[in-house]
Amino acid sequence: DTEVTQTPKHLVMGMTNKKSLKCEQHMGHRAMYWYKQKAKKPPELMFVYSYEKLSINESVPSRFSPECPNSSLLNLHLHALQPEDSALYLCASSPQSGADYGYTFGSGTRLTVV
Amino acid sequence: GESVGLHLPTLSVQEGDNSIINCAYSNSASDYFIWYKQESGKGPQFIIDIRSNMDKRQGQRVTVLLNKTVKHLSLQIAATQPGDSAVYFCAENYSSGTYKYIFGTGTRLKVLA
Repeated sequence: DTEVTQTPKHLVMGMTNKKSLKCEQHMGHRAMYWYKQKAKKPPELMFVYSYEKLSINESVPSRFSPECPNSSLLNLHLHALQPEDSALYLCASSPQSGADYGYTFGSGTRLTVV
Repeated sequence: GESVGLHLPTLSVQEGDNSIINCAYSNSASDYFIWYKQESGKGPQFIIDIRSNMDKRQGQRVTVLLNKTVKHLSLQIAATQPGDSAVYFCAENYSSGTYKYIFGTGTRLKVLA
């Protein structure tokens, strides 16, 4: 299995809702990432997990809450989002042995906040 | 030809011609670089990488050139095909030894039949 699987593919939520995005990989990768991508813009790093511990938080608002339950799963919990949070949310993973590896990206979750 | 839109530069090339996509990176200390291809509705896909101790690396139909003096990367695609139409991003390993990659602004490649 050489894929990163993200669910759901599309999500519409209200500003008072609580929802979660899920990401799964079975490549034995020990680093996992959340990126946010607005239309016609590059992906922007949100969080990095290394060995299931949060290692980088790019000053992301607390209405986004990441969780890494085990080495194969990464969640992003969403609460009280704003319409400007609408974007494509990408999950990625990479091998732990050194930083010089490209990511494997999932296809993303297209989030719309109404 | 090349044009700059409101957000995303676009490069239009004829099928069969060679394409050159350019990228300026930001950190002179970055030591690893990657080119990604992103098709509509999909996540970015790894194309080719290069380390800072190299100035050229070749793959299948693709070549990456690195000029550290001017902090510039380029991606050359030989014999461009319709399936090459996508947005291309360069990414730099912004902080050596970490897992933090910063993406460039991206270029849309349109292949004309």
